[in-house]
Amino acid sequence: ETGVTQTPRHLVMGMTNKKSLKCEQHLGHNAMYWYKQSAKKPLELMFVYNFKEQTENNSVPSRFSPECPNSSHLFLHLHTLQPEDSALYLCASSQDLSFQETQYFGPGTRLLVL
Amino acid sequence: EDQVTQSPEALRLQEGESSSLNCSYTVSGLRGLFWYRQDPGKGPEFLFTLYSAGEEKEKERLKATLTKKESFLHITAPKPEDSATYLCAVHTNAGKSTFGDGTTLTVKP
Repeated sequence: ETGVTQTPRHLVMGMTNKKSLKCEQHLGHNAMYWYKQSAKKPLELMFVYNFKEQTENNSVPSRFSPECPNSSHLFLHLHTLQPEDSALYLCASSQDLSFQETQYFGPGTRLLVL
Repeated sequence: EDQVTQSPEALRLQEGESSSLNCSYTVSGLRGLFWYRQDPGKGPEFLFTLYSAGEEKEKERLKATLTKKESFLHITAPKPEDSATYLCAVHTNAGKSTFGDGTTLTVKP
């Protein structure tokens, strides 16, 4: 596998479910990001990790919980989501935060909350 | 507040019909402006980064230019495979990234 991979690609969950999104990067990067992309809205940065440490949380509700066990893996744990949380969730990585502008994105997880 | 505005929202071209996409921005301390291409169901794919006014970069049929207020993505003699959504984003000295809404380009054969 090369680049940035995300699983699952599609997810349907009820508002009472608990699920996790996984991201893995094979680029040797140190910074990883979670973005939310909703229809007709620009990309919204959710979380930033640099060398496994969270450096940014853009006022994301606590029903979204990130985890970064190492520089290659990033998770987004979901619980008690709302229908308005349905969106494409994108993971990205970059060499480090000084190279933040050159981010490499995964294919995304299309999430539908019923 | 940093703002990025892309226009038009959608653009339909005939194959071979050259045109430009616009990205206007107002930020405090621009570190870089970058363009991405996004195909349906996929994540954005990096195209260019521009750092200073007057800078230009080219890749195949695409050419990106930058002024102090806006950036243009020029598409010369487009082909159907150039159809995608093109995203513009700015990165500031404060370490913030702001994305535009994108321009959806459709090139008809």
